[in-house]
Amino acid sequence: DVKVTQSSRYLVKRTGEKVFLECVQDMDHENMFWYRQDPGLGLRLIYFSYDVKMKEKGDIPEGYSVSREKKERFSLILESASTNQTSMYLCASSRTIAYSSTDTQYFGPGTRLTVL
Amino acid sequence: GQQLNQSPQSMFIQEGEDVSMNCTSSSIFNTWLWYKQDPGEGPVLLIALYKAGELTSNGRLTAQFGITRKDSFLNISASIPSDVGIYFCAARPLTGTASKLTFGTGTRLQVTL
Repeated sequence: DVKVTQSSRYLVKRTGEKVFLECVQDMDHENMFWYRQDPGLGLRLIYFSYDVKMKEKGDIPEGYSVSREKKERFSLILESASTNQTSMYLCASSRTIAYSSTDTQYFGPGTRLTVL
Repeated sequence: GQQLNQSPQSMFIQEGEDVSMNCTSSSIFNTWLWYKQDPGEGPVLLIALYKAGELTSNGRLTAQFGITRKDSFLNISASIPSDVGIYFCAARPLTGTASKLTFGTGTRLQVTL
């Protein structure tokens, strides 16, 4: 089974702090994704990565950056946390970089971040 | 970006009832997925649909990929308390990189005894 793990389930930070959210997958997947989930808005893509050191902006990248130094690990960075970044953050991975209609995304358990 | 309109937003049903939810879009997609998210957890894939008209079952769950490729529905038969959660549809457009998906806003299901 695919396993996607996230470093923290719950996190409380203060405004202005630098925040790191870590995600690790154990299935040698090429693609990794960071989403945020807010009530009524569904899942919105922040960034995704299709290879080591490769990244692309998603729909809401402002205020975030990412790092992928190793294939299995994808980090989301909030350079200066703000209260409007309080949310549930979900990491996902999928198998292939090639366009494949049978590829699916597997999710981690999520990190609920509160910024005070 | 592309939007998936998912309805209903929430449902309160009694144990044993059947449930139906759907997703529609003005765009064409070539894959439809249905996920369930338990409270405090990440979404888990329930059913994947890859061909227009495809009808697929997974236990008490049945999903269909619409003929027009612009919609999909999910049915749950004889609901039980553990069906509680948020159900998301997701779809992949005809072209794109890195398996990007578009998600619906979710249907929150609550089951009363």
